[in-house]
Amino acid sequence: EAGVAQSPRYKIIEKRQSVAFWCNPISGHATLYWYQQILGQGPKLLIQFQNNGVVDDSQLPKDRFSAERLKGVDSTLKIQPAKLEDSAVYLCASSSLAGGRNEQFFGPGTRLTVL
Amino acid sequence: AQSVTQLGSHVSVSEGALVLLRCNYSSSVPPYLFWYVQYPNQGLQLLLKYTTGATLVKGINGFEAEFKKSETSFHLTKPSAHMSDAAEYFCAVSVFETSGSRLTFGEGTQLTVNP
Repeated sequence: EAGVAQSPRYKIIEKRQSVAFWCNPISGHATLYWYQQILGQGPKLLIQFQNNGVVDDSQLPKDRFSAERLKGVDSTLKIQPAKLEDSAVYLCASSSLAGGRNEQFFGPGTRLTVL
Repeated sequence: AQSVTQLGSHVSVSEGALVLLRCNYSSSVPPYLFWYVQYPNQGLQLLLKYTTGATLVKGINGFEAEFKKSETSFHLTKPSAHMSDAAEYFCAVSVFETSGSRLTFGEGTQLTVNP
């Protein structure tokens, strides 16, 4: 079974530029998550999708971050414009159900450096 | 709201020694608890989880954890450390809410294994 795929793996941009990350979850997984992991910290949930609907985006900085999950499969996370403090690893995860007991499977992440 | 505290951001053990990584949680409802491991430049991999039932949970790679409700703890142990265990470990708590299930992570513990 293929795991969660993310691209690109690394991205370096200047502040105020835009950037987009892509995630392809495990086939059949209805729930998709985006996390931000700042160096030295645990991952923090940005947004959760159930199929193509948003379940929880309370931690997403909506003035600069946006995310979509068209057709309930792939997802993109965009930052526009980027700030220095956005430097982090962005992790995508998926699970078969939204229930709290279900395992989330993580992709390798995209490491973003904002200069 | 739930939270996780991992005691000790860095733990160093000798190869063959006992590994003990500490995790305390806070939750207003019965939690689901998880331990994830993260190797450099990789995503998170589930080691083990507690949902309901037996409080001693066995996971992959010889790790186990015990849920102690009275102490609000979920410490991770392994009887004999291997060089390959060197990685960052994250404890996480999840509760199922009407808005979905949010996985809240601790700050992580970096495990070093000395030869």
